[in-house]
Amino acid sequence: GQQLNQSPQSMFIQEGEDVSMNCTSSSIFNTWLWYKQDPGEGPVLLIALYKAGELTSNGRLTAQFGITRKDSFLNISASIPSDVGIYFCAGYANAGGTSYGKLTFGQGTILTVHP
Amino acid sequence: DGGITQSPKYLFRKEGQNVTLSCEQNLNHDAMYWYRQDPGQGLRLIYYSQIVNDFQKGDIAEGYSVSREKKESFPLTVTSAQKNPTAFYLCASSIFGGASYEQYFGPGTRLTVT
Repeated sequence: GQQLNQSPQSMFIQEGEDVSMNCTSSSIFNTWLWYKQDPGEGPVLLIALYKAGELTSNGRLTAQFGITRKDSFLNISASIPSDVGIYFCAGYANAGGTSYGKLTFGQGTILTVHP
Repeated sequence: DGGITQSPKYLFRKEGQNVTLSCEQNLNHDAMYWYRQDPGQGLRLIYYSQIVNDFQKGDIAEGYSVSREKKESFPLTVTSAQKNPTAFYLCASSIFGGASYEQYFGPGTRLTVT
C-alpha cells in the first residue's frame, strides 16, 4: 500500500528557532494535509494543500505541496513553547470507489521546544 | 458549536470483555473514521463509513466491529478477540464528495485493558 515517510522523527530546539519537517512518498498524492496533536488530544488540522506547487501560510506555519506531488514540507518560524506536540502529514491519492476519502498518514514528528 | 465528541475520555476494562466506544458528530459529515494510535506511533485506520448503513474495513479491522445506523453516530466495539486492545482511539469525520478530503478529529478515548 501507499506509505508516507515523515522526517525527522523528533526534534529538540530552542525557543525562537525555525523548524522544518517533510513528508515524502513514492506515489503521487492529490492533497496534502498537516495536523498537530497535543499530548492526550486528537489531531487538529493546520493546513490543507490541494495544488502542486502551492505554498500556504497559517500564522507562523508555512506548508508547501511539492511540485512532483510526491512530497510536502512544513515550516514553523520563531518557535514558542506551545508549538510542542506531534506533527503529522497526511496525503490523499484519490483512489476512488470504497477508498474514497481514505488518508495515508506519516509516522509523525515529535517537536520539543526548550524555553 | 459543531464538532466531534468521544466518550468517555478514559475507559478501563478487564480482559475478555467487549467494550463500545462512542463517537458523535454534529458537523453534518457523511463519512466517519476510527483510528488506533499506539505510543510513539502514527494513526492506523480500523474502520470507516462513507454513508449510513455502510462501512469498510481499514488496515487493522480484526477484533473490532462498528455500526452506522445514524449519520451522526459511529460507535466502535473492541471485542475480546482483539489481542492488544490497550491504545488511544480516535474518531474522525469528513464530507463525502466534492474537493475536500479534510478529516476532523475528536478528542480521543484512551482504553486500558488489564
